[in-house]
Amino acid sequence: NAGVTQTPKFQVLKTGQSMTLQCAQDMNHNSMYWYRQDPGMGLRLIYYSASEGTTDKGEVPNGYNVSRLNKREFSLRLESAAPSQTSVYFCASSTGLVGELFFGEGSRLTVL
Amino acid sequence: AQSVTQLDSQVPVFEEAPVELRCNYSSSVSVYLFWYVQYPNQGLQLLLKYLSGSTLVKGINGFEAEFNKSQTSFHLRKPSVHISDTAEYFCAVILNSGNTPLVFGKGTRLSVIA
Repeated sequence: NAGVTQTPKFQVLKTGQSMTLQCAQDMNHNSMYWYRQDPGMGLRLIYYSASEGTTDKGEVPNGYNVSRLNKREFSLRLESAAPSQTSVYFCASSTGLVGELFFGEGSRLTVL
Repeated sequence: AQSVTQLDSQVPVFEEAPVELRCNYSSSVSVYLFWYVQYPNQGLQLLLKYLSGSTLVKGINGFEAEFNKSQTSFHLRKPSVHISDTAEYFCAVILNSGNTPLVFGKGTRLSVIA
């Protein structure tokens, strides 16, 4: 049972470089989410997709773009990485039951 | 907008002692409440949830939480902790319309000491 799979698990970038974090779920969930986790800040929502074909901004969307490629996949793109984007990024999907999210194992990104 | 406040960023406790992790929420409308747990180097997983009904809810691994509407609290408790309970715990809230994303607190790091 793969659940929610994120790639890559680790990445180091230089300021100004771009990259895409990939997320795929095999549970046939409609909703998918991208969060970032920073020490002392908890999890903050970057973007979410309530269903295939829709995306919405969360609390901290600046500097990011997303694509809901199909029902399974939801990618997060950093067009010009900044040191402030150094974080652990989590993708999650929802069963449709209120508030029940399944999380991936995270992607640790360092921007130098 | 709804929000949650976790009152303690770190809680050290000796093995087999009881523990309470505190969470308060603010919202002008009814909400649903959740606790998630994150073990080291893993994603979060659902521990328990309150949607309606009995205000005392039981979750996995012997944890329970009590919804207190008058105090706007949803504290997490366990009567006897184990080393394996060492993790970060997140309280979360969502409006009871269900059509807004989950909002997480900043987390409480529980360290169980042998």
